[in-house]
Amino acid sequence: GAGVSQSPRYKVAKRGQDVALRCDPISGHVSLFWYQQALGQGPEFLTYFQNEAQLDKSGLPSDRFFAERPEGSVSTLKIQRTQQEDSAVYLCASSLGWVQETQYFGPGTRLLVL
Amino acid sequence: AQSVTQLGSHVSVSEGALVLLRCNYSSSVPPYLFWYVQYPNQGLQLLLKYTSAATLVKGINGFEAEFKKSETSFHLTKPSAHMSDAAEYFCAVTENTGGFKTIFGAGTRLFVKA
Repeated sequence: GAGVSQSPRYKVAKRGQDVALRCDPISGHVSLFWYQQALGQGPEFLTYFQNEAQLDKSGLPSDRFFAERPEGSVSTLKIQRTQQEDSAVYLCASSLGWVQETQYFGPGTRLLVL
Repeated sequence: AQSVTQLGSHVSVSEGALVLLRCNYSSSVPPYLFWYVQYPNQGLQLLLKYTSAATLVKGINGFEAEFKKSETSFHLTKPSAHMSDAAEYFCAVTENTGGFKTIFGAGTRLFVKA
């Protein structure tokens, strides 16, 4: 079946622009996660959804970062007024819903802020 | 608070030699532990996971890991390295407290020499 997909795969933004990154999870997966992966680092947790409810957003680095999953499937991560330090790969993952379940990762969106 | 430490950002082994990638974790409650692999230009995929059943966990591609509570370790091993094992490996921990926040280590890049 189809895996997790993310779009766009690459995004170049000028400092100060707003960007929106999309994640299509595996159909039927209750849980959805967003991570930020800087070059040479492991993924860092940003936020978690269970269906449409955002249960944990403790990893969002500032109020410029906003995520939503209004219908419990597709999710969007929005970054307002992008800064150079926002340059990273943004990973989306989904799982069946239990904490011990495997997370299935998308290919990521590589964001470069100039 | 949970944390993960991967000892060695780079490990180099000869083809056919033992692979040992080290992971130590910190958790205030019994954890769920995971090893993910990231091949070049691909998304993260699960190698294996510990979810409080058997302490020796077998994964894909001949990898296994042993959960040692007394040492707070979850080291990844493979008896004989193949060239195709060259990749980045990430250890991750999720606490079994009802939350879903997963913490990843910084990663270990494995090089396999012919």
